[in-house]
Amino acid sequence: EIVLTQSPATLSASPGERATLSCRASQTISNNLAWYQQKPGQAPRLLIYGASTRATGIPDRFGGSASGTEFTLTISSLQSEDFAFYYCQQYSDWPTFGPGTKVDIK
Amino acid sequence: QVLLVQSGAEVKKPGASVKVSCKTSGYTFYKYGITWVRQVPGQGLEWMGWIRGSNSHTRYAQKFQGRVTLTTNTSATSASTVYMELRNLRSDDTAVYYCAREYCSSVSCYADVLDIWGQGTMLTVSS
Repeated sequence: EIVLTQSPATLSASPGERATLSCRASQTISNNLAWYQQKPGQAPRLLIYGASTRATGIPDRFGGSASGTEFTLTISSLQSEDFAFYYCQQYSDWPTFGPGTKVDIK
Repeated sequence: QVLLVQSGAEVKKPGASVKVSCKTSGYTFYKYGITWVRQVPGQGLEWMGWIRGSNSHTRYAQKFQGRVTLTTNTSATSASTVYMELRNLRSDDTAVYYCAREYCSSVSCYADVLDIWGQGTMLTVSS
């Protein structure tokens, strides 16, 4: 099983700030990585697939990048609606999710 | 509008079975697969299995092999529905269960990238 490790567990930031979330895979997964946003009581929402491609309707303040087994989700300027949990998911092998990063208001 | 509407909350005893439905509408059912994911309250997401809309071919996570079955019911006159049956329930099966449709861009489809999600079904397993 491919294990995904996300950091930090919690990121405290202010509206307007840049947020950088990391996801590390335990082995090579090419670019077969997606990012999801989840708010309390709601289902996850697809943000990014293929490590860097935004899903339909996702604002361009969300960006994804990859370097080897290290993946990054960047939110260029945090909006109030962006404070949520973020999960990475690999689909190179049997799909697995990371444990999540909570982005909360400083 | 693409919608996935799941059945309501369930309470079951250990050892029992549960069957959760996911009613789809607003798209051509056979062109997309449906995945089931669960989430223990306050914890992360866990992929359970996938069923192809065109031929009901299934894939299951090893952890759930032998305990979970995904099926479809396609009607020519109404929405198509996917079912997730989980057997021999344990207390640690208490979770929210989601169905989700695979993502298709204008170029390709990605079976394990999940685009449209149901609202979730809370399953409580308790004696």
